[in-house]
Amino acid sequence: DARVTQTPRHKVTEMGQEVTMRCQPILGHNTVFWYRQTMMQGLELLAYFRNRAPLDDSGMPKDRFSAEMPDATLATLKIQPSEPRDSAVYFCASGLVLRGREKLFFGSGTQLSVL
Amino acid sequence: ELKVEQNPLFLSMQEGKNYTIYCNYSTTSDRLYWYRQDPGKSLESLFVLLSNGAVKQEGRLMASLDTKARLSTLHITAAVHDLSATYFCAVDIRGFLDSNYQLIWGAGTKLIIKP
Repeated sequence: DARVTQTPRHKVTEMGQEVTMRCQPILGHNTVFWYRQTMMQGLELLAYFRNRAPLDDSGMPKDRFSAEMPDATLATLKIQPSEPRDSAVYFCASGLVLRGREKLFFGSGTQLSVL
Repeated sequence: ELKVEQNPLFLSMQEGKNYTIYCNYSTTSDRLYWYRQDPGKSLESLFVLLSNGAVKQEGRLMASLDTKARLSTLHITAAVHDLSATYFCAVDIRGFLDSNYQLIWGAGTKLIIKP
């Protein structure tokens, strides 16, 4: 089965350290999303790409977060420096428009804990 | 303000019972999604509702959309324990091929079905 692959699944780090999360979207999907999920805020859209170009990253704190798609098979989300308030589950999703219907497929997420 | 409100946010019920989760949204849209999330897991697409009056059914779950009332419902028939999960609705304002894509998520309904 085709699926979105995220690494690492879990990350524990100390405040101030750089964190890089990776996502391999489903082959052929041209839209990639980064979401953050917390108990308090629910699901928040951080950034999304279409055909590797960033379309919107307004949900992301620009001073510390950055998102890129170096190629069609890899999306990255970096936090530098990390802070305890960044602790959350980060999901990547890729999307496809098929017969007029849009569908998102989510990865398993990266559980980030910043101490 | 764009809002998607789900209720209830928490539901505990017995197996065999029927119940409905409601999703109200504050702006015009004819695309609505339902997702399921098991604890510690990713989000899985359940239904995509694309027009007024759309009804989709999968097993014991049935989703409907009333765009005039800005309301979607997820109905559970004769609940079984395996349906225990958190259910999210999400309203697509423009579609993710639009450069001003917005997918507004509800807070989720945590459903516990007791054997």
